[in-house]
Amino acid sequence: SQTIHQWPATLVQPVGSPLSLECTVEGTSNPNLYWYRQAAGRGLQLLFYSVGIGQISSEVPQNLSASRPQDRQFILSSKKLLLSDSGFYLCAWSARGALGYGYTFGSGTRLTVV
Amino acid sequence: DQQVKQNSPSLSVQEGRISILNCDYTNSMFDYFLWYKKYPAEGPTFLISISSIKDKNEDGRFTVFLNKSAKHLSLHIVPSQPGDSAVYFCAARGMNYGGATNKLIFGTGTLLAVQP
Repeated sequence: SQTIHQWPATLVQPVGSPLSLECTVEGTSNPNLYWYRQAAGRGLQLLFYSVGIGQISSEVPQNLSASRPQDRQFILSSKKLLLSDSGFYLCAWSARGALGYGYTFGSGTRLTVV
Repeated sequence: DQQVKQNSPSLSVQEGRISILNCDYTNSMFDYFLWYKKYPAEGPTFLISISSIKDKNEDGRFTVFLNKSAKHLSLHIVPSQPGDSAVYFCAARGMNYGGATNKLIFGTGTLLAVQP
């Protein structure tokens, strides 16, 4: 069966520090991968998606970047965190093709920038 | 531009009664609609979906209705249980997103509280 792992679960970082969140998927090949953020009192905002190794699409301009060094690994990074980067970050995967409309989400990372 | 809208940020119902969560969308090219349930500090979990070629899909206590002319869908939970208390997100996929990307656009969520 497919599983998705996301870590760490919580993170408190000072303003200006770097960030690295990692997400890995098991039990599937060639998944589409996504990073979402849920800011306080807001919905789920798509930040990045990837359809393959090294292929990253950004949905919104921001202080973050994403990378996909391996087929089932997706990393969210920042060189210098801002207060506005605080939020709940979610990684998700979906299958390719017309029927791959369902997402499976990881358990999320609560990031607090202080 | 919010293409998927959930205008009720919260809803409170009594245990055993019906919960109705609503969602409106603007893009007529969406081909699948989904509902996700989210508990605090956890990732959302898939609940139920409906294709744009249907107007109803039922799974146990959960039924989703789609009204394409009104660009409106709703989730009915009958009977509501305290364990249903969570944030519910509506999501939609555009036809041109299918295949390569399968990007979903999510609404802002509705917090459902089922009172014992």
